[in-house]
Amino acid sequence: QKEVEQNSGPLSVPEGAIASLNCTYSDRGSQSFFWYRQYSGKSPELIMSIYSNGDKEDGRFTAQLNKASQYVSLLIRDSQPSDSATYLCAVNTRQGGKLIFGQGTELSVKP
Amino acid sequence: DAEITQSPRHKITETGRQVTLACHQTWNHNNMFWYRQDLGHGLRLIHYSYGVQDTNKGEVSDGYSVSRSNTEDLPLTLESAASSQTSVYFCASSPGQGARNEQFFGPGTRLTVL
Repeated sequence: QKEVEQNSGPLSVPEGAIASLNCTYSDRGSQSFFWYRQYSGKSPELIMSIYSNGDKEDGRFTAQLNKASQYVSLLIRDSQPSDSATYLCAVNTRQGGKLIFGQGTELSVKP
Repeated sequence: DAEITQSPRHKITETGRQVTLACHQTWNHNNMFWYRQDLGHGLRLIHYSYGVQDTNKGEVSDGYSVSRSNTEDLPLTLESAASSQTSVYFCASSPGQGARNEQFFGPGTRLTVL
């Protein structure tokens, strides 16, 4: 079992819809959870951090964390073509500052 | 503004040559990381450092080395470049102990080994 798993996609949604990206992790002791956005040919960009169970909203983005079920999700409301990118889920291990990354989910928002 | 930079942005080299990729951050972060990203493998950790004089191996460290002589820099050296090391390399940094380990990435270096 991979430590951090994401559906590879591609996930295709129409413009204006809600995009839902999911991530599961195996280490119950994980404390910090991150979503990165990576455009083709660019470096990963941090868009959301979440540390406590529940929802965290930032503009059109909402991160959801459920430690009991070991999953974290990212919702993108009112999806725009500019949201088309690969979204990487990352989890902090208990071993210091290292992050474990999922393989990423490719999102395509169709006009 | 504080930032993290990598150089060169593109590099073509030959098999067997030694190559050094530079990473420089001005955030005064304790932690620095080197990753490679290849299709089908995602981001894989090569080496990391939690402070000056501290270095640690990641999951794909064979053929690579790093040294940390100051807070700002973590150069990555390929001792004898191999075609399997053709990849995109990303450097990242995070604040360190007591922080929540948000990592910030440099722009990347695309390395081709012929």
